[in-house]
Amino acid sequence: GENVEQHPSTLSVQEGDSAVIKCTYSDSASNYFPWYKQELGKRPQLIIDIRSNVGEKKDQRIAVTLNKTAKHFSLHITETQPEDSAVYFCAASGGDDYKLSFGAGTTVTVRA
Amino acid sequence: EPEVTQTPSHQVTQMGQEVILRCVPISNHLYFYWYRQILGQKVEFLVSFYNNEISEKSEIFDDQFSVERPDGSNFTLKIRSTKLEDSAMYFCASMRAPGAAGELFFGEGSRLTVL
Repeated sequence: GENVEQHPSTLSVQEGDSAVIKCTYSDSASNYFPWYKQELGKRPQLIIDIRSNVGEKKDQRIAVTLNKTAKHFSLHITETQPEDSAVYFCAASGGDDYKLSFGAGTTVTVRA
Repeated sequence: EPEVTQTPSHQVTQMGQEVILRCVPISNHLYFYWYRQILGQKVEFLVSFYNNEISEKSEIFDDQFSVERPDGSNFTLKIRSTKLEDSAMYFCASMRAPGAAGELFFGEGSRLTVL
């Protein structure tokens, strides 16, 4: 099955700086890569996703890049704000199944 | 905006008791899932359900677990004899279809505490 590795596990950044989270996946058949943001005690919420036919996608301050050859994808948050503080999960799915396999999560803390 | 709803939000039970967690997926969705998140850990896949049958299950989903779609709207997860290690947040999720429409929508979760 799919194995998703995520780094770093924690990330502390100064407000206004950028944050980068990286994930790798094992199943070359995976073709859908979403990122979820989870605030304390809340459900995971989709913030951005990318499909295997695209190398980069941007939505305001967040962007995701995908390198299918290397089987890794990254989340970039620019001009971080305190409300960006949360746990971020990457995930991958595709191939013969439609389940999402999640990374272990990155706790992002934005210091004011 | 339509959303996945779950009940109860929190359940406390004694070890060995049966628990049923309920979910109402988004109405035009066809794929249903249960995920589990132990406090401070990652979201783990339990089971997927499509066309009234289990399409895939993880090794966590042993004989103590079962899922059912008893009518056209509810999707339930039953744990027959709860163990301490079943304490976790259980998320139901649904998806309209894989591929281009493959966004997974999560419910708010049901927190299960086994004493």
